[in-house]
Amino acid sequence: QVQLVESGGGLVKPGGSLRLSCAASGFTFSDYYMSWIRQAPGKGLEWVSYISSSGSTIYYADSVKGRFTISRDNAKNSLYLQMNSLRAEDTAVYYCARGSGSAGFDYWGQGTLVTVSS
Amino acid sequence: QSALTQPPSASGSPGQSVTISCTGTSSDVGGYNYVSWYQQHPGKAPKLMIYEVSKRPSGVPDRFSGSKSGNTASLTVSGLQAEDEADYYCSSYAGSTTLYVFGTGTKVTVL
Repeated sequence: QVQLVESGGGLVKPGGSLRLSCAASGFTFSDYYMSWIRQAPGKGLEWVSYISSSGSTIYYADSVKGRFTISRDNAKNSLYLQMNSLRAEDTAVYYCARGSGSAGFDYWGQGTLVTVSS
Repeated sequence: QSALTQPPSASGSPGQSVTISCTGTSSDVGGYNYVSWYQQHPGKAPKLMIYEVSKRPSGVPDRFSGSKSGNTASLTVSGLQAEDEADYYCSSYAGSTTLYVFGTGTKVTVL
C-alpha cells in the first residue's frame, strides 16, 4: 500500500536551517508529482511547494520562495525540503503529499512538526 | 493569493445533509475545474474526498458529493454519520504563479 513517511522535523532557532525528508513506498515514485503542504498549530492548510515527477518543474508559495528548496531522488524514492532562514511563522506540521492539486493530493504522510523558536 | 473562504462551522443531525461552501475568484475556483476537498480528523493527516470538482476517489462513500457554480464550490455530505465529524478543506488550482490555494476550513459537527 502507498506509504509516505516524513522525518527531519524538530526545534530550530530563527534564522536556522532544517532538511525534511519523505520516504515513499508502495507505488512507482518516479511517476508522480509531489508536494509539501504545511499546517500551523490550530490553523488551516497551506500549500508550500511542488515538484514534477522528473524534478524539472518546481514551484513555491510566495511565503517560502527564496528560502526553501524542494528536491527529489527517484532512485531513493525520496522527497526533500531544505528550509533556510527559518522564521517563527514557519512553525507547522509539514506533510508530503502525492500528486498535484489539479487532480487532488491523493496520499499524505503523517506529518513532521517544525518549531521555530528561540 | 488569499485563502478560499469557507464557513467556520456547519452541523447536522445523523441522517441529515450538510453542505459546505468554498468561495474563491475567477483566478482559482471559477477559472478551473480543479477543486478538491479534504477531510481531516483531529491529529490526523488530511484525506482526499473529492477531486476535479465532483469526482470521488475509490473508497470514498457516495454520500460525499461535490459541485461548482461560478466562483463557489460546494461539498455535500448526505446521510450524516458520526464519523463524518471532522474539519473539511477545499483546495483549488490557482494558475501558474500561485499554483494551489486552500480554503479556510470548516468544522462539521454531527449533533
